[in-house]
Amino acid sequence: DSGVTQTPKHLITATGQRVTLRCSPRSGDLSVYWYQQSLDQGLQFLIQYYNGEERAKGNILERFSAQQFPDLHSELNLSSLELGDSALYFCASSGQGELFFGEGSRLTVL
Amino acid sequence: AQKITQTQPGMFVQEKEAVTLDCTYDTSDPSYGLFWYKQPSSGEMIFLIYQGSYDQQNATEGRYSLNFQKARKSANLVISASQLGDSAMYFCAMREGGEYGNKLVFGAGTILRVKS
Repeated sequence: DSGVTQTPKHLITATGQRVTLRCSPRSGDLSVYWYQQSLDQGLQFLIQYYNGEERAKGNILERFSAQQFPDLHSELNLSSLELGDSALYFCASSGQGELFFGEGSRLTVL
Repeated sequence: AQKITQTQPGMFVQEKEAVTLDCTYDTSDPSYGLFWYKQPSSGEMIFLIYQGSYDQQNATEGRYSLNFQKARKSANLVISASQLGDSAMYFCAMREGGEYGNKLVFGAGTILRVKS
């Protein structure tokens, strides 16, 4: 158990819909990272938050947004979903060293 | 430009033998870290081992060791005495210093299959 909690574990929705993925980091970790893992793109960094502020942005689409709340949990919002958004979405947290990953949220867009 | 390269899409190894998974990286930052993660079929990402760019010795964690060759920019993972449970996808990743925090950039991964 990495200590990072992600919900939901599985999500099936239709094209055009909007979903929210939630992440609770390890106790004491201030940084939260979101990654997308799809078959054709591998593990892609989306965005990082540190103590509520956006720290770094990667290949995140404009249809996607994220935020980190005062209690340090984070949410990734995916809107106007397309078939290609089907993927495993990971949240990770870190203190000073390695990233600890949650179990991921598997999103299927039909 | 590709920062992390894993040239072996798939590898087979006999149970109880050692296997080396290759990883090369590209950075101009003198301060960086290299990581290996394991992803079994269940999907979770499991941290295995870390090597800092200034570390003088190769990192080891149980049956895992990292063969760090700085001049060649390679950070190969060596798994000794392979077990069936080692069958998984293995990712090499790099963290660079600077303003971008601790985000990791991942390679494409290598699928390892351990044969009995």
